[in-house]
Amino acid sequence: QKEVEQDPGPLSVPEGAIVSLNCTYSNSAFQYFMWYRQYSRKGPELLMYTYSSGNKEDGRFTAQVDKSSKYISLFIRDSQPSDSATYLCATQAPGNTPLVFGKGTRLSVIA
Amino acid sequence: KAGVTQTPRYLIKTRGQQVTLSCSPISGHRSVSWYQQTPGQGLQFLFEYFSETQRNKGNFPGRFSGRQFSNSRSEMNVSTLELGDSALYLCASRSRDGSYEQYFGPGTRLTVT
Repeated sequence: QKEVEQDPGPLSVPEGAIVSLNCTYSNSAFQYFMWYRQYSRKGPELLMYTYSSGNKEDGRFTAQVDKSSKYISLFIRDSQPSDSATYLCATQAPGNTPLVFGKGTRLSVIA
Repeated sequence: KAGVTQTPRYLIKTRGQQVTLSCSPISGHRSVSWYQQTPGQGLQFLFEYFSETQRNKGNFPGRFSGRQFSNSRSEMNVSTLELGDSALYLCASRSRDGSYEQYFGPGTRLTVT
């Protein structure tokens, strides 16, 4: 079992839809949770970061963490064609430890 | 500030050859991590260097190695290339020691034929 599981999709939605992206993790040592966005032919860029269980909002994006069930979610409201990208969840244990990524979900938002 | 740069962007090699990839972190960043990205396995951690010392290492064979120079630039080397080494190799630098925030370069696309 991989430490971080993520449905690779692809996921295709119409413009304006609410998108839900999810990951599960197995290692209780993970304390930091991130979502990265990767456009084609680019490196990943940090989109959202959260530490505690609960929700964190940033514009149209909401990151949600449930540590009790080891579940991470990213919600995108009013999705736009420019949101079309691969979304990667990532986790990290405390200290100078490496990021552990999910495989990424490819999202297409159709105008 | 300039972002993380990686050279070359694209590379085609033959099985059995070796390859060296280069990464220049954001100015002032002393930590450089390398990742391999493939469709099948996703992003996998190779190793991290901090102040010229390897600090963490992923589960890759010894054919994969790296180093970091005093100016924080880093190189990774893959010897005796195999077809399965075809991947996007990404480098990332941390803004400060222990930071969760890593800044990625555009990657080097390596194709092994």
